[in-house]
Amino acid sequence: AQSVTQLGSHVSVSEGALVLLRCNYSSSVPPYLFWYVQYPNQGLQLLLKYTSAATLVKGINGFEAEFKKSETSFHLTKPSAHMSDAAEYFCAVSESSGGGADGLTFGKGTHLIIQP
Amino acid sequence: NAGVTQTPKFRVLKTGQSMTLLCAQDMNHEYMYWYRQDPGMGLRLIHYSVGEGTTAKGEVPDGYNVSRLKKQNFLLGLESAAPSQTSVYFCASSFSTGGLPYEQYFGPGTRLTVT
Repeated sequence: AQSVTQLGSHVSVSEGALVLLRCNYSSSVPPYLFWYVQYPNQGLQLLLKYTSAATLVKGINGFEAEFKKSETSFHLTKPSAHMSDAAEYFCAVSESSGGGADGLTFGKGTHLIIQP
Repeated sequence: NAGVTQTPKFRVLKTGQSMTLLCAQDMNHEYMYWYRQDPGMGLRLIHYSVGEGTTAKGEVPDGYNVSRLKKQNFLLGLESAAPSQTSVYFCASSFSTGGLPYEQYFGPGTRLTVT
């Protein structure tokens, strides 16, 4: 069975500082991995996805993530935080054997706080 | 394109009442999903559908039923609401090509309170 662990329910960084949100996964087959962002009182929006084409994935709003099979990790980074990045971030996994049809398994989320 | 829409946006129920949440998508997606979001729990899959007329159970299906009579609609029903079903419910849709999953597109959510 697949699972996702996000380290740190809350992460606080200063505006302009590096953002690092951690995600580790467990999967019995090669995984497909996603990062979603949720702004207050809104639905989830895709930031980026890993589907085995390239280990370093670039997404929207300056975010990127690197798939490391040996570490079973898919950490999300952004070089310079902006106040508008304050939101809830979710890492999710899909097992490729199901073609993704059977839904995503989400981590519990990390609330990103940006200090002025 | 409206994308994924959910009706209603808010609802308050008394214990034992029933209701149906409606999800509609206009992207011609094959797959549709219902999730619930609870504080500190992330999103958990309730039920999903891989095509018109087919549904399957997810991680937390108890107390819910679903139907997919039309490709564009996915209904979530609560037959006898309980306070434990107080949550924010999200619908999502997706498609797959060549066995590769594509991202899921989410609706804005329905905030349900059961008293």
